[in-house]
Amino acid sequence: DAKTTQPPSMDCAEGRAANLPCNHSTISGNEYVYWYRQIHSQGPQYIIHGLKNNETNEMASLIITEDRKSSTLILPHATLRDTAVYYCIVRVASRSNDYKLSFGAGTTVTVRA
Amino acid sequence: GAGVSQSPSNKVTEKGKDVELRCDPISGHTALYWYRQSLGQGLEFLIYFQGNSAPDKSGLPSDRFSAERTGGSVSTLTIQRTQQEDSAVYLCASSLSLRDSTYEQYFGPGTRLTVT
Repeated sequence: DAKTTQPPSMDCAEGRAANLPCNHSTISGNEYVYWYRQIHSQGPQYIIHGLKNNETNEMASLIITEDRKSSTLILPHATLRDTAVYYCIVRVASRSNDYKLSFGAGTTVTVRA
Repeated sequence: GAGVSQSPSNKVTEKGKDVELRCDPISGHTALYWYRQSLGQGLEFLIYFQGNSAPDKSGLPSDRFSAERTGGSVSTLTIQRTQQEDSAVYLCASSLSLRDSTYEQYFGPGTRLTVT
């Protein structure tokens, strides 16, 4: 897997957008960008993934740069319940043995009232 | 619909005892995974099931660890003769299928195992 680099921590004001960056400069053409988060004392939670196009779902938006070397996860209106560690992962999908999720240190996001 | 469930949520056991941890995946998910997470650490892959078979047991740390899955659904992870280093949160995840090209994994809440 390509390695990812994320800032160790960031604060966000409740109700504002949280923009979480991730660098993956060695990503290869068949690797997807996945985001998971882990709220304290809970299991990891899938958020969103993408290959090259920007993606949006009910939880977040994922913006991937044209060269695919970096991406940004956007939580449009952060709430206190979004306080968690956010993990950016790049991995191959489909007919591969790349099912073993492996998280780095992630970004600890603290949403403040 | 219902997510992945795990039981018990917490388990305290004495060193040397056997424990069984249970995972109920999301209905219809054919792939099931076990991970563990020690305090402040990342995920450690243990085993992967596709249906009832386990093509990848490479992450099981020793022969004291075993897992089975019956009926393509419920899975149990068994740890025999538990040691203090086995203390961790044991996480189960499931996904639709390995053949699904974007197979996101959905996790249960975990079982916190403490070996005293």
